[in-house]
Amino acid sequence: SVLTQPPSVSGAPGQRVTISCTGSSSNIGAGYDVHWYQQLPGTAPKLLIYGNNNRPSGVPDRFRGSKSGTSASLAITGLQAEDEADYYCQSYDSSLSGSRVLFGGGTKLTVL
Amino acid sequence: QVQLVESGGGVVQPGRSLRLSCAASGFSFVGYGFHWVRQAPGKGLEWVAVISYDGKNKNYEVSVKGRFTISRDNSQKTVYLEMNNLGLGDTAVYYCTKDLNQWQPIRGNALNLWGHGTRVTVSS
Repeated sequence: SVLTQPPSVSGAPGQRVTISCTGSSSNIGAGYDVHWYQQLPGTAPKLLIYGNNNRPSGVPDRFRGSKSGTSASLAITGLQAEDEADYYCQSYDSSLSGSRVLFGGGTKLTVL
Repeated sequence: QVQLVESGGGVVQPGRSLRLSCAASGFSFVGYGFHWVRQAPGKGLEWVAVISYDGKNKNYEVSVKGRFTISRDNSQKTVYLEMNNLGLGDTAVYYCTKDLNQWQPIRGNALNLWGHGTRVTVSS
């Protein structure tokens, strides 16, 4: 994927984990927003963070997004068993070859 | 109830066509851009296509360009994905999803409402 995420991360309940999303100058580095999604097993994705660091109504403040340069991160504090899911970053890419919406490859979070 | 409901998936032979539909309800359809995103078995999310809020602008992932066509019918509050010349690599669950904000140009907007998905299996 053009947006690179670690395949997996893990943490114990109560701990803090971060998931990185690394792009380039044609997407994140070009100023396009990064959004994050949570996908629980067998369900559709759910918007978790929009516009780099904004939480939709109902999303706990344990979830925090940030962006710097050509990368973005999702931090989850106070890990809970229910956070075990796949997480995806999303942005936009525009270059001479065209424009497109991008998803990262996804990161599987395991709560130990 | 605010929701998107996809339909039209199924099992199809390589080279054949299929049309997916996405029916919206519970919110103002007009003014929102819509996307199709797919997920192959055991794989991650892959963006497929987008149609702007006014239907005038469309964009496609490279591998489907020229084979897939996205469209919308505001009177029916429905978005479509016409898929032609299907290949094995098109096997996936196809999700319909909408932009978070109204009246936005195509620019990687956040996607705040997702359907449950419809499964497309391409197999001989």
